[in-house]
Amino acid sequence: AQRVTQPEKLLSVFKGAPVELKCNYSYSGSPELFWYVQYSRQRLQLLLRHISRESIKGFTADLNKGETSFHLKKPFAQEEDSAMYYCALSRGGSQGNLIFGKGTKLSVKP
Amino acid sequence: EPEVTQTPSHQVTQMGQEVILRCVPISNHLYFYWYRQILGQKVEFLVSFYNNEISEKSEIFDDQFSVERPDGSNFTLKIRSTKLEDSAMYFCASSADRVAYTQYFGPGTRLTVL
Repeated sequence: AQRVTQPEKLLSVFKGAPVELKCNYSYSGSPELFWYVQYSRQRLQLLLRHISRESIKGFTADLNKGETSFHLKKPFAQEEDSAMYYCALSRGGSQGNLIFGKGTKLSVKP
Repeated sequence: EPEVTQTPSHQVTQMGQEVILRCVPISNHLYFYWYRQILGQKVEFLVSFYNNEISEKSEIFDDQFSVERPDGSNFTLKIRSTKLEDSAMYFCASSADRVAYTQYFGPGTRLTVL
């Protein structure tokens, strides 16, 4: 069965510190991986997806098929990065639905 | 920038009552989804809809649930006879295509079943 695991419920760092939000997945095929973010009192929004290989707001994520991971990284955290982060997987092909992890709450302290 | 909208923002109902949750997807999008998030749990897929029919549904989406696109703009989720365990945040999402799989989410409807 497909599964997305985010082992940390809460991650607290100081401003300017590096951040790594962990995501591991279980899927035998070729998945599409995403990071969604939900700021306080706002909707879920796409942060980045692995097929784009882009950096958004200083965040990057690399798909490691050997380790089945898609960790989200940022070298210098900002207070405005504080939010709930969800890793999600899509099975591709005709299966467009997203399978989410439980989410990690990132708190960046001043 | 166009956004997915959902109404109401909060719905309170009695167990056994029918509820209809409404969503207006982004206008040129073709794929529509419902997800739910029970408090403290992960966001779970319910159903996807394309070309006026269900394309995929999860085991959560049983006979008590139905979806409809009645007028070409609204996308509704109906729960025929609500149970206490249906209490959750319900999110609608839409996407322009399946290739990029970029889904845009609405703000959610909080459903409370008493």
